[in-house]
Amino acid sequence: EDKVVQSPLSLVVHEGDTVTLNCSYEVTNFRSLLWYKQEKKAPTFLFMLTSSGIEKKSGRLSSILDKKELFSILNITATQTGDSAIYLCAVSSGSARQLTFGSGTQLTVLP
Amino acid sequence: DAGITQSPRHKVTETGTPVTLRCHQTENHRYMYWYRQDPGHGLRLIHYSYGVKDTDKGEVSDGYSVSRSKTEDFLLTLESATSSQTSVYFCAIRRDGDYGYTFGSGTRLTVV
Repeated sequence: EDKVVQSPLSLVVHEGDTVTLNCSYEVTNFRSLLWYKQEKKAPTFLFMLTSSGIEKKSGRLSSILDKKELFSILNITATQTGDSAIYLCAVSSGSARQLTFGSGTQLTVLP
Repeated sequence: DAGITQSPRHKVTETGTPVTLRCHQTENHRYMYWYRQDPGHGLRLIHYSYGVKDTDKGEVSDGYSVSRSKTEDFLLTLESATSSQTSVYFCAIRRDGDYGYTFGSGTRLTVV
């Protein structure tokens, strides 16, 4: 059975802090790993990673994948209150590339 | 998100009644998925489709059926709703390239 585990489950920081969110996985027929941000509604796409060691970056957010150790991290630098959300990690696998999600990390950024 | 809509947005229904949720896309993507989201469980796959009339089960398919008679529409039916099916339901499409998957706005279903 495919499995995705995120840590920590929740995190409270102050504006300006840097955070690192973790995602480890065990899946058969790995295709890609994705990060999503979810506020009160639908998850919104952040990154898709398919190759080890190549960092993807978007503003203050960055992510990297290690396919040997089967994990990924999502970094957020200089956090802002608008970064408060649930961050979801998902792995795409199989011929239909269905997603298996972790339980998410609830990030709260205090002013 | 542009290109994928779900209906209804909210529904309250009684135990034992059938319920159908609709997912509509305007971009002709082949793969469509239904997920449910519950506290403590993240999103879990119910069913998916890889083309017209081509569907398969996901992790939590018991009590659900799907149909895809046109590329743009993917329907999820709860044959006889139970309180354990109270959840938020998301539809998703898979985009080509590095654009990942796009989710609809969700349907909040309450079974009383």
